[in-house]
Amino acid sequence: AQKITQTQPGMFVQEKEAVTLDCTYDTSDPSYGLFWYKQPSSGEMIFLIYQGSYDQQNATEGRYSLNFQKARKSANLVISASQLGDSAMYFCAMREDNAGNMLTFGGGTRLMVKP
Amino acid sequence: DGGITQSPKYLFRKEGQNVTLSCEQNLNHDAMYWYRQDPGQGLRLIYYSQIVNDFQKGDIAEGYSVSREKKESFPLTVTSAQKNPTAFYLCASSINLRPQRRGGYTFGSGTRLTVV
Repeated sequence: AQKITQTQPGMFVQEKEAVTLDCTYDTSDPSYGLFWYKQPSSGEMIFLIYQGSYDQQNATEGRYSLNFQKARKSANLVISASQLGDSAMYFCAMREDNAGNMLTFGGGTRLMVKP
Repeated sequence: DGGITQSPKYLFRKEGQNVTLSCEQNLNHDAMYWYRQDPGQGLRLIYYSQIVNDFQKGDIAEGYSVSREKKESFPLTVTSAQKNPTAFYLCASSINLRPQRRGGYTFGSGTRLTVV
């Protein structure tokens, strides 16, 4: 079974609007971390935001926020005030604390920001 | 500045040849990882190493080999047994041996391998 599922292969958003990228995960480990990365066409992986399974509040980093719904096992990324430079692939990833340090990635969502 | 260096950026291989991708880090990170990315898809774990002289297979290790003789270096060899090696390869590292709560991962800039 997929551990990380991103159901939106591609999305369009108008510049300056907000957009939500979906991510659901599957784990039986009570201690885990959820990450979002941005990958521009150059291929580098840029860390955006982190949410720990025991964190009481949703994570925020500038224009990025994470809508963490633990009972639903979802960790959606919200980007506010989209910019043209936000056009990229976005990956959700999970680290299970009792399964080592490695990250498991979802299939990604390609976000395209329209001027 | 500390970081991960992957070389070369682009690599062309003839069918039947082995090729080695380099990954060097100066972050003093204990753990290192190799991921493969196919076009339009997510990253899949090939191999990982949590300490020197030890490494573990990931989800798609067949046709690949690694070594970890030094903390700084984690080279990946794509062997002729890998039937479809054309892909983007990313190396990453992270601090500490034990699972972390807020540990970060540092990624290299990748190597794009093409079989010709």
